[in-house]
Amino acid sequence: EPEVTQTPSHQVTQMGQEVILRCVPISNHLYFYWYRQILGQKVEFLVSFYNNEISEKSEIFDDQFSVERPDGSNFTLKIRSTKLEDSAMYFCASSLTSPDSGANVLTFGAGSRLTVL
Amino acid sequence: GESVGLHLPTLSVQEGDNSIINCAYSNSASDYFIWYKQESGKGPQFIIDIRSNMDKRQGQRVTVLLNKTVKHLSLQIAATQPGDSAVYFCAENTNSGAGSYQLTFGKGTKLSVIP
Repeated sequence: EPEVTQTPSHQVTQMGQEVILRCVPISNHLYFYWYRQILGQKVEFLVSFYNNEISEKSEIFDDQFSVERPDGSNFTLKIRSTKLEDSAMYFCASSLTSPDSGANVLTFGAGSRLTVL
Repeated sequence: GESVGLHLPTLSVQEGDNSIINCAYSNSASDYFIWYKQESGKGPQFIIDIRSNMDKRQGQRVTVLLNKTVKHLSLQIAATQPGDSAVYFCAENTNSGAGSYQLTFGKGTKLSVIP
């Protein structure tokens, strides 16, 4: 069964450092997403990406964050100048259909746990 | 703001019994609902979905019921098995009216199956 793969599974970083979380979406999917889950809290939408540009972003996704699809397979989330409150599980997801299709099934990766010290 | 929420944060059931996990939503503009299962250390896994023009949908051992009148969604798991132990999230896909469709997740219900 096709999977969304994420690396690293866990990253520990010092406050103020930059981190890049990587994702390989399912190969024939066209829509890509990042969500995050702070420990014990809801899964929260960060950003969606289609056709090499951001489709939507939440209030969380400020100038500290950026996404990129540097090649045909990877989808990255960059967090600049990390803060303590950025500590969370970051999930990448992809879908074949668009969010407004009425049947937008997202396939999630296993997540990358970010710990900011 | 409007949000998706869950009535029960934890649920313990005996193996073989049926489980019912509930979810309340408040955004009447939501047109698509999904149940996800999240096992420890893994990402959310799609279980079943339902569109707002339906009130019931069945899968293998799972049934989702949608009551738009009271804005309530439930997930029924038949003959619950130890492998069903996980956190279950409901999520709604909402058109904010500005052409924005996002998945909004509830906080989750932890299902524990007692062997």
